[in-house]
Amino acid sequence: GQQVMQIPQYQHVQEGEDFTTYCNSSTTLSNIQWYKQRPGGHPVFLIQLVKSGEVKKQKRLTFQFGEAKKNSSLHITATQTTDVGTYFCAGADTNAGKSTFGDGTTLTVKP
Amino acid sequence: EAGVAQSPRYKIIEKRQSVAFWCNPISGHATLYWYQQILGQGPKLLIQFQNNGVVDDSQLPKDRFSAERLKGVDSTLKIQPAKLEDSAVYLCASSLGQRVFTDTQYFGPGTRLTVL
Repeated sequence: GQQVMQIPQYQHVQEGEDFTTYCNSSTTLSNIQWYKQRPGGHPVFLIQLVKSGEVKKQKRLTFQFGEAKKNSSLHITATQTTDVGTYFCAGADTNAGKSTFGDGTTLTVKP
Repeated sequence: EAGVAQSPRYKIIEKRQSVAFWCNPISGHATLYWYQQILGQGPKLLIQFQNNGVVDDSQLPKDRFSAERLKGVDSTLKIQPAKLEDSAVYLCASSLGQRVFTDTQYFGPGTRLTVL
């Protein structure tokens, strides 16, 4: 079945440093969504990517969808303490009729 | 706009007991999801409803888990009997349901279940 892997599992950064998390799918995706879960909270939708090679920006966050639509990345420039949390990707494989969450990357930021 | 409501927020039971969780989705959302999130892992879909019909329950352990969505609104998820490995956060989410795979999912606060 479809597998969605995220790396790294954990990332510790100093405030002001950049951060990147990667999401890789075993199957071609129709779209990918990114969610953020704060400690003790629930996942909150950030963005959706649909097109091959698509790049979207939200302030300091940059999201990319790979050309082959099997991978994606989230890059945060100049991290802040408010960026702390776990970032999940969820890949939709419409051929399989499923959307699967990765296990997330947990970001901690040291002030 | 009110969010997805879930209750209870916390539940502690002993193994072999039964437990039920309740979810009220955002008004007008046709699709409702139940996820199991084990500590350190991503949400794992247990069951997905479109209105009051089941779209996907392939990962629901049907020997002990059951779910229903009467009248296409509220939903309950039941575990009977519970096992130690059922300790997790149970998340309910809803979406408009017009285009299932591109819809934004809105999550409730979750129910943290501890099985002793």
